Amino acid sequence: EPEVTQTPSHQVTQMGQEVILRCVPISNHLYFYWYRQILGQKVEFLVSFYNNEISEKSEIFDDQFSVERPDGSNFTLKIRSTKLEDSAMYFCASVGRPGELFFGEGSRLTVL
Amino acid sequence: AQSVTQPDIHITVSEGASLELRCNYSYGATPYLFWYVQSPGQGLQLLLKYFSGDTLVQGIKGFEAEFKRSQSSFNLRKPSVHWSDAAEYFCALSGGYNKLIFGAGTRLAVHP
Repeated sequence: EPEVTQTPSHQVTQMGQEVILRCVPISNHLYFYWYRQILGQKVEFLVSFYNNEISEKSEIFDDQFSVERPDGSNFTLKIRSTKLEDSAMYFCASVGRPGELFFGEGSRLTVL
Repeated sequence: AQSVTQPDIHITVSEGASLELRCNYSYGATPYLFWYVQSPGQGLQLLLKYFSGDTLVQGIKGFEAEFKRSQSSFNLRKPSVHWSDAAEYFCALSGGYNKLIFGAGTRLAVHP
């Protein structure tokens, strides 16, 4: 079965540092997403990406966040200057057909 | 506004008992509906999904869910719960290629 892969599985960083989370979506998918889950809370939508541009973003996705698909395969989420409250699990997802959404296993970010 | 409500934050059942987890949604049309399960520190596993057609949907691990348009509900059921079912359960909806909107989750505890 096709799968979405995410790296790293866990990253620990100091507050103020830049972090890049990487995702390899399923190869023929065109819609890509990042979600965030703070420990013990629900999964929240961050951003959707289609045709090499952001199609929708939530209010969480402020100027310190950015996404790109630099080489046609990787889909990255960059947090420019991490804060303590950015500590969370970050999930990447991709969609092929409507409603057929595949999640990665997540990247746990710990900001100290 | 699009939303998903899971009224029960925490449910405890005895092993072997039946289970029903409630999910209500608000959406302008018939959405794509999903149930996910998450064990602590783990990713999101898709249990089942509803797109159209038969309103009773069978999923993995013996779970089923019934879509009731008149009640805007998509409740998850299992006839006999196993200790390994203890986890967090999330109901979610999307409009197809749109973002997934998650409920707050229901934490299931299973007593031996």
